[in-house]
Amino acid sequence: DAGVIQSPRHEVTEMGQEVTLRCKPISGHNSLFWYRQTMMRGLELLIYFNNNVPIDDSGMPEDRFSAKMPNASFSTLKIQPSEPRDSAVYFCASSPIQGNTGELFFGEGSRLTVL
Amino acid sequence: RKEVEQDPGPFNVPEGATVAFNCTYSNSASQSFFWYRQDCRKEPKLLMSVYSSGNEDGRFTAQLNRASQYISLLIRDSKLSDSATYLCVVIYTGGFKTIFGAGTRLFVKA
Repeated sequence: DAGVIQSPRHEVTEMGQEVTLRCKPISGHNSLFWYRQTMMRGLELLIYFNNNVPIDDSGMPEDRFSAKMPNASFSTLKIQPSEPRDSAVYFCASSPIQGNTGELFFGEGSRLTVL
Repeated sequence: RKEVEQDPGPFNVPEGATVAFNCTYSNSASQSFFWYRQDCRKEPKLLMSVYSSGNEDGRFTAQLNRASQYISLLIRDSKLSDSATYLCVVIYTGGFKTIFGAGTRLFVKA
């Protein structure tokens, strides 16, 4: 069975460019999470959705970040314009049960470098 | 203050040693607790849930102290393959907001 699929796996871009990260959750999972991981700050929850609806986006760093989930099988995280401090690994995770009993299934991550 | 705090380590232990990690959380409304494991340059994966009565899974024992707001993970008879980062996870009442600690790095050496 396919797990959570993220793309691109690696992206190198220049400051000011738009970055779009994509995620396909596991089929049938109700909840989807976007995390950012850096050495300094660890895994930070950016936003999560339940049944395609954003529940809490308080972790989104600033207006340059936006996330959408137009349907149950696809989500995007967009950064516009990107800055060097956005360099991190961005993980998408999905969970099978509404209310979330704790098991998140993570994708392999998108490693973003902003020059 | 971070919502979930862990000693970052690293813990360097020999094979066969017993090692314990602690994690504290700040929100008393926290509902569920877990330990995840993350290997270098990989995604986190669920290791085990943490129940109020404590629970074991082979060489791993997890405990929860709600009064003091901390959880612990004990690894007995450490193996080389246990080398990883261990992440403490807290879910708030309502069931959605899942917060990770920064992780504790463990190195098990032969």
